[in-house]
Parts: sequence; structure tokens; C-alpha cells
Amino acid sequence: DAKTTQPPSMDCAEGRAANLPCNHSTISGNEYVYWYRQIHSQGPQYIIHGLKNNETNEMASLITTEDRKSSTLILPHATLRDTAVYYCIVRVALSGYALNFGKGTSLLVTP
Amino acid sequence: SAVISQKPSRDICQRGTSLTIQCQVDSQVTMMFWYRQQPGQSLTLIATANQGSEATYESGFVIDKFPISRPNLTFSTLTVSNMSPEDSSIYLCSVEAGANYGYTFGSGTRLTVV
Repeated sequence: DAKTTQPPSMDCAEGRAANLPCNHSTISGNEYVYWYRQIHSQGPQYIIHGLKNNETNEMASLITTEDRKSSTLILPHATLRDTAVYYCIVRVALSGYALNFGKGTSLLVTP
Repeated sequence: SAVISQKPSRDICQRGTSLTIQCQVDSQVTMMFWYRQQPGQSLTLIATANQGSEATYESGFVIDKFPISRPNLTFSTLTVSNMSPEDSSIYLCSVEAGANYGYTFGSGTRLTVV
């Protein structure tokens, strides 16, 4: 799996967009970018994933650069409940393989 | 997507004893994954459990310490054996939830060894 680099922590004001960056300069053509988050003391929660096109669902948007070497997770209107550790994971979409978690970004949403 | 029921949610155990953690999934899954999350750290994969075969352990984890059972396609247990305070962690199970849902995780077992 390709290595990812995320800032250790970020702050965001409630109601504003939270933009969480992830660098994955060694990503291969068949590797997807997955985002998960872990709210304190809970199991990680799937947010979104994508290959090369931008993706959007009810939780967030995933914007990937054209060269696929970096991406940004966007929470369009952050709430206090979005305070969590966010993990960017790059891996092939093969069944039967576990996720490898890095250190992630600790996002603090403030009133 | 799959839903996992994990228990116990927390426990405080004496050193030298063992604790068995259970994960029940509401659908049949081939692989189940067990993770450990030490205080303030990220998740580390312990092992992959495939129904009908021995679990595959990651480097640094051994079957004698973390025996795993996988009797059917909806259930698995992880036992933390001969516990020491260093085993105090959150233990989580996970399954693949389908192509559009990624992976689902249990709510975790917070273990404190005293």
C-alpha cells in the first residue's frame, strides 16, 4: 500500500468547510484513496473513497489532483460532532485485505 | 452495509487472566479482521480470520497470546491471554461491508489490565 502523509492536527470553526489534505505521491494506478474517521472511543467510520474522479456523498467530498499524488477531504459545513481523527488510506480495492492505518489528522471543530 | 455487535464494550481485568472478545456480524462475511489500538495510538492489525482456516497473524502478534476462533461466517472471538498492563488497549473487529461501504468496525472493547 502507498504511504500517506497527513498533518497531525487541524482546527475548523463550526459551520465552515473543513479541508483535510493527504499526500500520497507513490500511489499506483490501481490504488484507491479511502477516508475513515474515528470519533473518540468509537470504531472507525467509513466516509468516502475514490480512484481518480472527484467523489461526493452525503457526508463529504473527495477531491483528487489530476496526477493523483494528493487529495483533500472536504466536510462542507463542519459541526462539533465532526471532531474526530481522520485517516487517509491508500490501497488496492481487492477483497480480503485489511486496512492499514497511519496516524491520521486530529480535527477539532470549535464553536 | 454490515452491522457488527461487539462485546464486552469494556472490562477491567487482573493481570495473568484472559479475556475473550466476541464479534457478531448480521451477514455472512469471508474475512474478519482484529485490531488493537493502544492509548493515543492508531489502529494496528493483529490478525485476519478466515472461516475454516487458521488465522493469519501480523508481525509481533502470536497465536498463543491472541488465539482467534472463527466457527462460522458471522462470528469470531479474540482472546487476550495471560494479560499484563501492556495489553491495556481498545480491541476492534472489522469486516468488509461491500464495494460501496468500505469496511465496518465494531464499537470496540476497552480493556484495562490492573
